[in-house]
Amino acid sequence: DTEVTQTPKHLVMGMTNKKSLKCEQHMGHRAMYWYKQKAKKPPELMFVYSYEKLSINESVPSRFSPECPNSSLLNLHLHALQPEDSALYLCASSLLAGQANNEQFFGPGTRLTVL
Amino acid sequence: GENVEQHPSTLSVQEGDSAVIKCTYSDSASNYFPWYKQELGKRPQLIIDIRSNVGEKKDQRIAVTLNKTAKHFSLHITETQPEDSAVYFCAARVGRGSTLGRLYFGRGTQLTVWP
Repeated sequence: DTEVTQTPKHLVMGMTNKKSLKCEQHMGHRAMYWYKQKAKKPPELMFVYSYEKLSINESVPSRFSPECPNSSLLNLHLHALQPEDSALYLCASSLLAGQANNEQFFGPGTRLTVL
Repeated sequence: GENVEQHPSTLSVQEGDSAVIKCTYSDSASNYFPWYKQELGKRPQLIIDIRSNVGEKKDQRIAVTLNKTAKHFSLHITETQPEDSAVYFCAARVGRGSTLGRLYFGRGTQLTVWP
């Protein structure tokens, strides 16, 4: 398996809802990433997990809560989001986080709309 | 941190012509430079990358050049086809320090190839 998968593909939620985004890879990668991407903008890094431990948090609001249950899975828990949080949420993985030249592979993303 | 500038923001070419997208970076410790292609509604896909110990790399119609002294790198697409139309992002990865492994993206170039 040489892909990063994400579910769901689309998500619509109200500002009081709680939902979760899921990401999975079976390439043996030990680094996993969450990005947020607005239309026609580059991906913005949110979190980096290395060996299932959070290594980078880019000052993301606490309404976004990441979780890495094991080396293949990455979740992003959402609570009390704002309409401006509507975006494409991309998961990515690479062999290692600490190696500068590891290729980073992106999942297809979850298109999130907050009403 | 690293700062990556990308130009132009939009580029229109006739089918069969060449397209060139240029990026500059600020941190001399950056040592890995990937290029991603993102079609509308799809994930960013790695199309080519170059490491700092190499000056040029080619893969069929796509080539990347790196000038470490001037801190710039470029993507060259020859014999463009309508399916090359997409947003292209350059990125740089720093090879040391607390941000080791993190990708810094350019702002993107919307390439349109007219038939």
